[in-house]
Amino acid sequence: NAGVMQNPRHLVRRRGQEARLRCSPMKGHSHVYWYRQLPEEGLKFMVYLQKENIIDESGMPKERFSAEFPKEGPSILRIQQVVRGDSAAYFCASSPGMGGNTEAFFGQGTRLTVV
Amino acid sequence: QQPVQSPQAVILREGEDAVINCSSSKALYSVHWYRQKHGEAPVFLMILLKGGEQKGHEKISASFNEKKQQSSLYLTASQLSYSGTYFCGTDGTNAGKSTFGDGTTLTVKP
Repeated sequence: NAGVMQNPRHLVRRRGQEARLRCSPMKGHSHVYWYRQLPEEGLKFMVYLQKENIIDESGMPKERFSAEFPKEGPSILRIQQVVRGDSAAYFCASSPGMGGNTEAFFGQGTRLTVV
Repeated sequence: QQPVQSPQAVILREGEDAVINCSSSKALYSVHWYRQKHGEAPVFLMILLKGGEQKGHEKISASFNEKKQQSSLYLTASQLSYSGTYFCGTDGTNAGKSTFGDGTTLTVKP
């Protein structure tokens, strides 16, 4: 059973370009979460999605950032017109359901570098 | 509100014990612990729920004091592989949507 798959592992973008980060949850998991981690800092929640629905996007910046989890295919985190401050590791996690007793499993992350 | 972890960093020799604490300013329903090695994904260690339920690795122990709104992770007879940054996450109803602390960096030396 493959774990949470994220790609690409590393992404370099010039300022003003778009970044697309992909996340395939574990088999059987229908809940996806995106986190951002700045160097030497903790994980900051961004968005929680189920298939075709955004459940909680309270951690998403209001502009330039969007996320989706279509009926078919991976979840996508899109960052438009990237700036240097967007450079970070972006982690995706998935769980089979919600509930406080359900653990989440993280992918290896995508390290975005904006030059 | 973000939980507060202490200490920020700890250095141990192999075989020594350590305790990592996580405190919240709001009532907790659950606490989750993860370990992250440099450049890798966070790995699930344990969930502790209000009411006493726990789920996690057999070799890891932790406590959850609901009244004090805090949790502690106990690492006994530490091994080199225990090195990494430990994060606690807190949330009301969903383990996947957590508010994480800033982490405790544990270094185990031979």
